[in-house]
Amino acid sequence: QSVLTQPPSASGTPGQRVTISCSGSTSNIGNYLVNWYQQLPGTAPKVVIYSNNQRPSGVPDRFSGSKFGTSASLAISGLQSADEADYFCSAWDDGLNGWVFGGGTKLTVL
Amino acid sequence: QVQLVQSGVEVKKPGASVKVSCRTSGYTFSTYDISWVRQAPGQGLEWLGCITAYTYTTHYAQKFQGRVTMTTDSSTTTAYMELLSLTSDDTAIYYCARGGRSWSNFDSWGQGTQVTVSS
Repeated sequence: QSVLTQPPSASGTPGQRVTISCSGSTSNIGNYLVNWYQQLPGTAPKVVIYSNNQRPSGVPDRFSGSKFGTSASLAISGLQSADEADYFCSAWDDGLNGWVFGGGTKLTVL
Repeated sequence: QVQLVQSGVEVKKPGASVKVSCRTSGYTFSTYDISWVRQAPGQGLEWLGCITAYTYTTHYAQKFQGRVTMTTDSSTTTAYMELLSLTSDDTAIYYCARGGRSWSNFDSWGQGTQVTVSS
């Protein structure tokens, strides 16, 4: 059972916009920055959004992040087949005094 | 460019220990923490802890306290993670990643090391 809650799956057609949610509490998302990681099949995770809504260099501006209260969201617009991957949210948790992750959302591009 | 290169596949028996290495390059080793994250088959990500390279200060997840040891060797810019008393539940891919502070993110990752625990 993951500390942060994500839907197990999401899907969209090419060109569509999809949103992945991440729900937590005041121990984590409510008081700390949220990061999002993309994991393509058979590879290591890669950060696509950090500090709630910042994109690392090289990540397309189709990726955006937001946070409100104890929840966060990752949005991907102009969906492409290359976006098909698992996505994980993460934040520091001061109750556990460590990093916690969501269970991951498998994004399928139909 | 920043690179983290991990040691190879490990197969261990229950009760044994495993030590995984993570050789870094492309940045000043002492200025970043190194975290260790694992992923069991078909499962999500789990943080084991982190180490501050220049002070050797460690911060372990509560779940792994007493069973994990993280160290660094500044002369070779390599980080190590040793996990003791292995059980089948420890079968996972173990990743090292740059970063660890509560305000940071894991901005570079190793390729992962498969650790299998089986009798």
